[in-house]
Amino acid sequence: KNQVEQSPQSLIILEGKNCTLQCNYTVSPFSNLRWYKQDTGRGPVSLTIMTFSENTKSNGRYTATLDADTKQSSLHITASQLSDSASYICVVSDGFDTGGGNKLTFGTGTQLKVEL
Amino acid sequence: ETGVTQSPTHLIKTRGQQVTLRCSSQSGHNTVSWYQQALGQGPQFIFQYYREEENGRGNFPPRFSGLQFPNYSSELNVNALELDDSALYLCASSLGRGGSTDTQYFGPGTRLTVL
Repeated sequence: KNQVEQSPQSLIILEGKNCTLQCNYTVSPFSNLRWYKQDTGRGPVSLTIMTFSENTKSNGRYTATLDADTKQSSLHITASQLSDSASYICVVSDGFDTGGGNKLTFGTGTQLKVEL
Repeated sequence: ETGVTQSPTHLIKTRGQQVTLRCSSQSGHNTVSWYQQALGQGPQFIFQYYREEENGRGNFPPRFSGLQFPNYSSELNVNALELDDSALYLCASSLGRGGSTDTQYFGPGTRLTVL
């Protein structure tokens, strides 16, 4: 069964500090991995998407890494801001790109809170 | 703003009732996917529509059904509501055929509470 596990479950950091969120997956075959930010009561917003051949991708203060060999990904947030407080969800897609359905496996997310 | 809207924002129903949730995709997006997100969990895939035809389905019973219309709007219908159906329902649209590299744009969700 395809699974995506994220850690930590929740995290509190001070404004201006950096943090790193982890994602381990057992999805096979692997197609791509995405990180989403979900504000409370809102829909997820895509931050990055990485395919098998990519091992790092940045989007502003967000940098995602991917190690396809160990099936691990991380999301690093630099110089955190209060607006970074949200749930960060790791999503892995399997290789069934036949147009016959969406095979995304979602993690349960890491709840990040940035405080003054 | 993703350009995807959903209505209503919140909804309260009782067990056994039926509900229809609505989604308006970005103009030109041919694919819409629906997800159920229980509190503290990640979204679970319900089904996907491509050009008005069902294009894939997750592990949800037949009482979850959908429609997609030519004007980029879609519906999620749930019959015989159960308490466990209480969740945030998300729709997401994408430009392509819902393949593994399509970027999905999520709406804000509809919070359904079943009493």
